[in-house]
Amino acid sequence: QLQLQESGPGLVKPSETLSLTCTVSGGSISSNSYFWGWIRQPPGKGLEWIGAIYYKGSTYYKPYLKSRLTISVDTSKNQFSLKLSSVTAADTAVYYCVRHTTASYYSDYWGQGTLVTVSS
Amino acid sequence: QSALTQPPSASGSPGQSVTISCTGTSSDLGYYNYVSWYQQHPDKAPKLLIYEVSKRPSGVPDRFSGSKSGNTASLTVSGLQAEDEADYYCSSYAGSNNFAVFGTGTKVTVL
Repeated sequence: QLQLQESGPGLVKPSETLSLTCTVSGGSISSNSYFWGWIRQPPGKGLEWIGAIYYKGSTYYKPYLKSRLTISVDTSKNQFSLKLSSVTAADTAVYYCVRHTTASYYSDYWGQGTLVTVSS
Repeated sequence: QSALTQPPSASGSPGQSVTISCTGTSSDLGYYNYVSWYQQHPDKAPKLLIYEVSKRPSGVPDRFSGSKSGNTASLTVSGLQAEDEADYYCSSYAGSNNFAVFGTGTKVTVL
């Protein structure tokens, strides 16, 4: 059974960089059938897709985050990562890593989510 | 890219049906047949219920069904059960810079 697990600091200071890693187990990240993405949910609010990566390194970012966002992949560790720079309180959210199908982009597997709070 | 529009709430008694609408534009939901629906219980990750407008993943009861007409998609939950009480989100592919534009979310209450 495929599993995704987010890891990283739960507290980040304003203006610093938020860094999260998603470890994929039970399957290979190096599949041509999937993208690997990040979705976030501010407390009490809705879902927002922020970006995704293909195992060969192609990246896809939400336009307004593109200047602050970097998603990378490490196939040797079966992991992919998110870095969001210059964070503000508006970036406080539960961050989910997900698997998207390349056929029609839905997210069939989700990590449990990790809350990242931006605060001094 | 604005969020898709869903009613904030819906409700029904056990055994009844409830339908949730999801309205987008001709650039997202109306253009692509890549509409999916997710169920989210409190403090849990969303779970895929429907993909490609009307297909159900293995393990999702056939009480959940999806459809689409023009710029509006719908999710119907038939035979409501207590465990169906949750938040529901629609989603549509909207291009390579937006794999998923989500709906505003609907809280379903089982009376």
